[in-house]
Amino acid sequence: EIVLTQSPATLSLSPGERAALSCRASQTVNNYLAWYQQKAGQAPRLLIYDTSNRATGVPARFSGSGSGTDFTLTISSLEPEDFAVYYCQHRANWPITFGQGTRLEIK
Amino acid sequence: QVQLVESGGGVVQPGRSLRLSCAASGFSFSSYAMHWVRQAPGKGLEWMAVISYDGNIKYYADSVKARFTISRDNSKNTLYLQMNSLRDEDTAVYHCAREVKPLLGPVFDPWGQGTLVTVSS
Repeated sequence: EIVLTQSPATLSLSPGERAALSCRASQTVNNYLAWYQQKAGQAPRLLIYDTSNRATGVPARFSGSGSGTDFTLTISSLEPEDFAVYYCQHRANWPITFGQGTRLEIK
Repeated sequence: QVQLVESGGGVVQPGRSLRLSCAASGFSFSSYAMHWVRQAPGKGLEWMAVISYDGNIKYYADSVKARFTISRDNSKNTLYLQMNSLRDEDTAVYHCAREVKPLLGPVFDPWGQGTLVTVSS
């Protein structure tokens, strides 16, 4: 099973700042890495798939990068609605696994 | 619009069974693989099971293999999860999720809002 480790666990930033969230895999996932956003009481929302492909309707301030085992979700300028929990997920093999999440909170 | 609505959750005693349903609308259900993903209270996401678009291929997480069964009825646009021998640690919100594109693989969009299963004596 591939273990995904997200860091930091909590990130405290202000609106307008740039956020960089990390996801490290225990073995290569090729480029099969996705990112989701989850707000309290809501279902997760797909942001990025296959490392850098933005899902439909996702603002351009969200971008993904990386390869192999190290990946980053970048939010270029934080909007108030971006404060949430973010999960990475691989689809390189079975079982699919998620990272433990990064909580992005308002400073 | 594309919609997934889960039902069937509730409070159940350890060792008992429960069947969850996920009603799909707004897309060609029979063209997409479907998944169940759960989230224990205050915890992260855990993938449970997948079923291919035609129901012929199924995979499970080790934690539920031999206890849970995923199935679908394409004539009713409905996905199911039969959960047997339930344990305390199965307490979670259970989400159904569609793959974002046919044949792309397990990238989930959209997700249903989920149904809460509480296993407690």
